Amino acid sequence: DVKVTQSSRYLVKRTGEKVFLECVQDMDHENMFWYRQDPGLGLRLIYFSYDVKMKEKGDIPEGYSVSREKKERFSLILESASTNQTSMYLCASSLVGRGKLFFGSGTQLSVL
Amino acid sequence: KNEVEQSPQNLTAQEGEFITINCSYSVGISALHWLQQHPGGGIVSLFMLSSGKKKHGRLIATINIQEKHSSLHITASHPRDSAVYICAVTNYGGSQGNLIFGKGTKLSVKP
Repeated sequence: DVKVTQSSRYLVKRTGEKVFLECVQDMDHENMFWYRQDPGLGLRLIYFSYDVKMKEKGDIPEGYSVSREKKERFSLILESASTNQTSMYLCASSLVGRGKLFFGSGTQLSVL
Repeated sequence: KNEVEQSPQNLTAQEGEFITINCSYSVGISALHWLQQHPGGGIVSLFMLSSGKKKHGRLIATINIQEKHSSLHITASHPRDSAVYICAVTNYGGSQGNLIFGKGTKLSVKP
């Protein structure tokens, strides 16, 4: 089975801190995604990557950046965390095309 | 108007009941996904379909491309089916990252 691993299940950070969320998948998937999920708003795409060093902005990229230096790892970076970035962050991966999505277990980030 | 609408938003059922969750969409799609999210966050992909019907255990997903509608059925429901069920579509011609999500249906199955 495909495994998508997110580095932290819960994270508490202070306003202004730089935050790194890591995601690793073990099935050689080309596509990797970062979503945030908020009550009443559903899942929203922040960034996705379709290959190493390739990325595209999603619906809500402001305040975030990403890095994909290796195929299996996709990092989400909050350059200067703010309280409105408190959310559940979910990483996912899939094969190129219209493949089935595999999700990590999520990181609940609280910014105080 | 949301491009992917789910109904109902919330659903409470008794164990053993037959359950239907509906998803309507307004864009051209290349695939439709049904996802399950248990309390605690993890999301599991249940089905990906572009036509017809798929079955896995007690779960059945159908799609009608002409009517732009999909249904997820659960037969002989059980408390462990309690979760949020999310419909998502891959927008035809869109970029690979362009999945459009519904807001989810929260299902609670009482023993």
